[in-house]
Amino acid sequence: DAGVTQSPTHLIKTRGQQVTLRCSPKSGHDTVSWYQQALGQGPQFIFQYYEEEERQRGNFPDRFSGHQFPNYSSELNVNALLLGDSALYLCASSSPGRGSGNTIYFGEGSWLTVV
Amino acid sequence: GDSVTQMEGPVTLSEEAFLTINCTYTATGYPSLFWYVQYPGEGLQLLLKATKADDKGSNKGFEATYRKETTSFHLEKGSVQVSDSAVYFCALTLPLGGGYQKVTFGIGTKLQVIP
Repeated sequence: DAGVTQSPTHLIKTRGQQVTLRCSPKSGHDTVSWYQQALGQGPQFIFQYYEEEERQRGNFPDRFSGHQFPNYSSELNVNALLLGDSALYLCASSSPGRGSGNTIYFGEGSWLTVV
Repeated sequence: GDSVTQMEGPVTLSEEAFLTINCTYTATGYPSLFWYVQYPGEGLQLLLKATKADDKGSNKGFEATYRKETTSFHLEKGSVQVSDSAVYFCALTLPLGGGYQKVTFGIGTKLQVIP
């Protein structure tokens, strides 16, 4: 059973460019969330998708947007990249059924470097 | 708002030493509590969890007990190994509304175990 998979694993972009990161959730999971982890920090919640809609959003600007597809996979898009966007971007998925006790599984992450 | 406070690292221990990593939380409502581990260059792996007061989560020799009265979830292991060297994140989840949840992480505590 494949876990949460993300691509690409590493990428380098220039300031002002746009980037798209991709995520496939764990089999049987329908909810996908994205987190940003800056170096030496804990992950910060960006947003969460369910049934192809953004359901909740953290404190991130509109430059960060996303999409969820009918097969539950998801993309994170970041426009007008800033140096401060350099971070590990983690995708997480969770199972159907609501409640704070559901385990959230994380992918290996995509390392983004903005130069 | 909801938050998780972890002891600052790094923590350096000799092999077979006893480990405690302190974690306290602030939350409105009744959170579920988690410990995640991140090995160098990798994503987050769930280590253990507890969903209600007095629950004890355990895995791979690690334990943590959900203490509502002290709002704590300290991680312990009786005898650490070099392979336990990693960054450990304490985290909580709460429903966001509509039953969705996000993970709030602590800053992470780096553990280094020396032979």
